[in-house]
Amino acid sequence: DTAVSQTPKYLVTQMGNDKSIKCEQNLGHDTMYWYKQDSKKFLKIMFSYNNKELIINETVPNRFSPKSPDKAHLNLHINSLELGDSAVYFCASSLRKGDTEAFFGQGTRLTVV
Amino acid sequence: EDQVTQSPEALRLQEGESSSLNCSYTVSGLRGLFWYRQDPGKGPEFLFTLYSAGEEKEKERLKATLTKKESFLHITAPKPEDSATYLCAVQKSGNNRKLIWGLGTSLAVNP
Repeated sequence: DTAVSQTPKYLVTQMGNDKSIKCEQNLGHDTMYWYKQDSKKFLKIMFSYNNKELIINETVPNRFSPKSPDKAHLNLHINSLELGDSAVYFCASSLRKGDTEAFFGQGTRLTVV
Repeated sequence: EDQVTQSPEALRLQEGESSSLNCSYTVSGLRGLFWYRQDPGKGPEFLFTLYSAGEEKEKERLKATLTKKESFLHITAPKPEDSATYLCAVQKSGNNRKLIWGLGTSLAVNP
């Protein structure tokens, strides 16, 4: 029944490692997003895909690479993890591009040690 | 520079004590303003969208209003289950329509 699901929920890893976070939505939405929420609770858009096409690519280090194999999935791969990458990463989806109502996953808390 | 500022950062109320949260914004080309609620350890949950000055939306004990420079989220007779962080975001007009988020107001309602 989960609308937007992310795995894993928690991820603890060492600096320099490569890791992936997976996201799936079963709402039939066209658009998916990755957000980063820092320790001050500030939410910042990282990427957005509409029907597998990248439409928003904010100023994010190129160590972060999103991949959308189909419109129900949007994964985030992070290379050479750094301490500053520690944050909560949220996946979200909306029916169409630019829709006002987005549905968020429960978040992945990434801790880089 | 586009900016969204929420105040206060934190608010503690007694059950039944009504109050308002503020979201002020400076953005070029506003398409809409949104309110979300976020519970600890969860993703934000959509509450309201407001598009034009003077518009109001209501849901249970919450009412959101919009002017040309700010929005208020009024909470009437809050209950402990209203405790959460309330996030405001604005959407710019244009092709990508990305959201710019405020830092939120953390609301605690004591029984």
